[in-house]
Amino acid sequence: SQQGEEDPQALSIQEGENATMNCSYKTSINNLQWYRQNSGRGLVHLILIRSNEREKHSGRLRVTLDTSKKSSSLLITASRAADTASYFCATVWMNRDDKIIFGKGTRLHILP
Amino acid sequence: ETGVTQSPTHLIKTRGQQVTLRCSSQSGHNTVSWYQQALGQGPQFIFQYYREEENGRGNFPPRFSGLQFPNYSSELNVNALELDDSALYLCAGSLQGVSGYTIYFGEGSWLTVV
Repeated sequence: SQQGEEDPQALSIQEGENATMNCSYKTSINNLQWYRQNSGRGLVHLILIRSNEREKHSGRLRVTLDTSKKSSSLLITASRAADTASYFCATVWMNRDDKIIFGKGTRLHILP
Repeated sequence: ETGVTQSPTHLIKTRGQQVTLRCSSQSGHNTVSWYQQALGQGPQFIFQYYREEENGRGNFPPRFSGLQFPNYSSELNVNALELDDSALYLCAGSLQGVSGYTIYFGEGSWLTVV
C-alpha cells in the first residue's frame, strides 16, 4: 500500500497562477520528498524537507511540513507550461530499510 | 543527468516468459532500489539492495528477484510474466547512511506483457 496520498489527483490552472498540491501520510517519517515526473519518464527530485523542518524554499517551489497533521504541501509560484507534469510526495519510513514510499501523484496541467 | 541509466528503454514480452532489466548507477551509489509504476499510478517499491544484499522488500512475489554488483550495476528479473506486470520499471540509486539522502532515478524501462 502507498504511504502518501496527494490531493488533488488532477489540477489545471492558467499559466502564471500558483499551484498548490497537498500530501498526507500515515506513519512517522524521517523526511518527506517531492518529485516531478514528465509523462512516461523517470522521476526528478525537487526538494527534501526533514521531519524537524516546517518550511523550505527552492526557486519557485515552497514546501511545508506539518508533522502533527501528517501533511505536506507543495506550492509552485508563477507556473509555466514546462511545469506540466505529475508530482509525487514520497516519505522515508523511520526504520532501517529507508524505503521511499510514493503516493499516487497529482497531475498538474498548465494552460497557456 | 542523474547518473542512473536503465536498459532496455522499451520491450515486449509474452505471458509466461522471463525478463531481465538492467540498471547502471554512478560510483558512490551503494544502494539501489527498484520500483514498478503502472499507468496512472505512483511508483510501488519492489525491493532495495545495499552492498549487494537485499535490504528490504515490498509486496511483490518471489518471481521478482534482483542482483546488485560491485560495480554499482543492478538487475531486476521477473519470471513467469503476467499481463499485470506491464508497467514502467524504475531503478534508483542513492547513498545510504546519510540522513536525508537524495535518490536519483533512471528514465525507466517500459515493459509490455502480451
